[in-house]
Amino acid sequence: QQPVQSPQAVILREGEDAVINCSSSKALYSVHWYRQKHGEAPVFLMILLKGGEQKGHEKISASFNEKKQQSSLYLTASQLSYSGTYFCGTERGNNAGNMLTFGGGTRLMVKP
Amino acid sequence: GAVVSQHPSWVICKSGTSVKIECRSLDFQATTMFWYRQFPKQSLMLMATSNEGSKATYEQGVEKDKFLINHASLTLSTLTVTSAHPEDSSFYICSAYTQGSGNGYTFGSGTRLTVV
Repeated sequence: QQPVQSPQAVILREGEDAVINCSSSKALYSVHWYRQKHGEAPVFLMILLKGGEQKGHEKISASFNEKKQQSSLYLTASQLSYSGTYFCGTERGNNAGNMLTFGGGTRLMVKP
Repeated sequence: GAVVSQHPSWVICKSGTSVKIECRSLDFQATTMFWYRQFPKQSLMLMATSNEGSKATYEQGVEKDKFLINHASLTLSTLTVTSAHPEDSSFYICSAYTQGSGNGYTFGSGTRLTVV
């Protein structure tokens, strides 16, 4: 079952913030976040495994709610390089290594 | 870190011919390889899961006779698109699970297939 991502697209000015959501009707084993540039393979951003977990790197962070059914990706003070399509990938099994099912993607465009 | 090398990066072929895409895990053993297909402006859709030494598991709606997957060794998985048609034109990406790594899944660089 494909997770639901929102919004589908967002346009920002450089320096603005954005939030991308990923939700599932069932509890997840994990949530993975990726960014994909046009014509390239997805690039891993981060993984969340525990309910209530929050983590980040530089100005990109993510959270996983207590019920493990929703995750949000936070992009603060966006840079031009943040432009791309963001996907959440979810594992449904009770152990790692089960296939990743991707959300529909969120197209982010950062303008100068 | 773990690297999955995918070749070719792009291929243009004539309708009716077959195309083989290779994915190699360079510094780890990939027991399981996932094959995805991505149409323009769409998400990655899982086509099949291949396990070394056994038959691949195909997702519903994916023709196993058209998309042949071979995972003969722990470092090599191949996807062959047989009798390709223009509607098979897409971006094909492989991914391997790497136990113990920070992210768990390593993606190949993708292959853009254009069937003319």
